[in-house]
Amino acid sequence: EDQVTQSPEALRLQEGESSSLNCSYTVSGLRGLFWYRQDPGKGPEFLFTLYSAGEEKEKERLKATLTKKESFLHITAPKPEDSATYLCAVRSGGTYKYIFGTGTRLKVLA
Amino acid sequence: DGGITQSPKYLFRKEGQNVTLSCEQNLNHDAMYWYRQDPGQGLRLIYYSQIVNDFQKGDIAEGYSVSREKKESFPLTVTSAQKNPTAFYLCASSPDSTDGNTIYFGEGSWLTVV
Repeated sequence: EDQVTQSPEALRLQEGESSSLNCSYTVSGLRGLFWYRQDPGKGPEFLFTLYSAGEEKEKERLKATLTKKESFLHITAPKPEDSATYLCAVRSGGTYKYIFGTGTRLKVLA
Repeated sequence: DGGITQSPKYLFRKEGQNVTLSCEQNLNHDAMYWYRQDPGQGLRLIYYSQIVNDFQKGDIAEGYSVSREKKESFPLTVTSAQKNPTAFYLCASSPDSTDGNTIYFGEGSWLTVV
């Protein structure tokens, strides 16, 4: 069964304290792994799409990496405005469904 | 601007009423989706549509109905048969082509039963 697990559930960081969020997945034929940022009461905002192991993408303080079993979202020198819930999703081959994790709630303290 | 527009942002439903949530996209995407988000849970798929005039049930379709008469529109009706409709509803779309299949979301609609 296709499955996505995100860890940790919640993370508190001091401003400037770098860390990583984990997304472990089990899927039949990966057709994409997606990261989103979601602020309270808003829809998820697209961050990155990764398609194959070894792929990396960066945007400002965020960097996403992908292996055959997991993806990491690295946050370098975070700022309070990076506080949000970060969602991970996968799409498996032969299906139109996207499987979402439950997210990591990130709080960055000034 | 290109994007997905959901309306209304907030909706209140009385017991026994059907209500409809609107979703319009101008991204020229073929596929559209409806998700439900409850606190502490991941997004759960209600319905999806790959092409006009065709749609499929997701994991929690009971008590909901949809239509796809136009490529850009995918309204969701929450019927009185849905026993626990209070939630945050998200509409999404994806190109679902060789150009990529990233799924994009609207801003969401809050539904509350009063």
